[in-house]
Amino acid sequence: SQQGEEDPQALSIQEGENATMNCSYKTSINNLQWYRQNSGRGLVHLILIRSNEREKHSGRLRVTLDTSKKSSSLLITASRAADTASYFCATDYNTNAGKSTFGDGTTLTVKP
Amino acid sequence: GAGVSQSPRYKVAKRGQDVALRCDPISGHVSLFWYQQALGQGPEFLTYFQNEAQLDKSGLPSDRFFAERPEGSVSTLKIQRTQQEDSAVYLCASSSKGRTRGTEAFFGQGTRLTVV
Repeated sequence: SQQGEEDPQALSIQEGENATMNCSYKTSINNLQWYRQNSGRGLVHLILIRSNEREKHSGRLRVTLDTSKKSSSLLITASRAADTASYFCATDYNTNAGKSTFGDGTTLTVKP
Repeated sequence: GAGVSQSPRYKVAKRGQDVALRCDPISGHVSLFWYQQALGQGPEFLTYFQNEAQLDKSGLPSDRFFAERPEGSVSTLKIQRTQQEDSAVYLCASSSKGRTRGTEAFFGQGTRLTVV
């Protein structure tokens, strides 16, 4: 089973609106990462947030991390049609030095 | 090259056939990962190399799966006697450092394997 679970599974909004996606995980982590995947393509890294950080920004992206609730959120502001993609969170455990564990993603559709 | 390159992009194999999937990581990247992504799901970890050493192969689903990175750069994922359940996209990723502190991983476009 996956460590991270994204919520909602699917999200449809109008261009210009904000999109919020959530990720919950089960065990302590070193850091959490968000990726985007366009249909039929590889994953693109968006943001990495470490366990001692609470919030990070990158352009129109804002990521928060609440380690007490074992959850993270990704906010995309002023969405564009080009933001249409699947978004995945990936957690890096304390107990392993190699792999990231991905959730099943949120499919975001931004309507023009 | 500019990014992680995987070949072939698409592979159709008859059940029972052996396949080999290639990954060319970004030059100089120490860490290399293989993931398997089924349709509609997130990637699942298969194996991890640091240079030529395979440090974690806990995600390989059976002994039919084998990965190598003999010179610490190009890696090959081999699947013997393919089964229909092996149909998936196989993603390769590389990063510039060992993963103890967490670093950005760069993914290739993947190889879509269809076993018929």
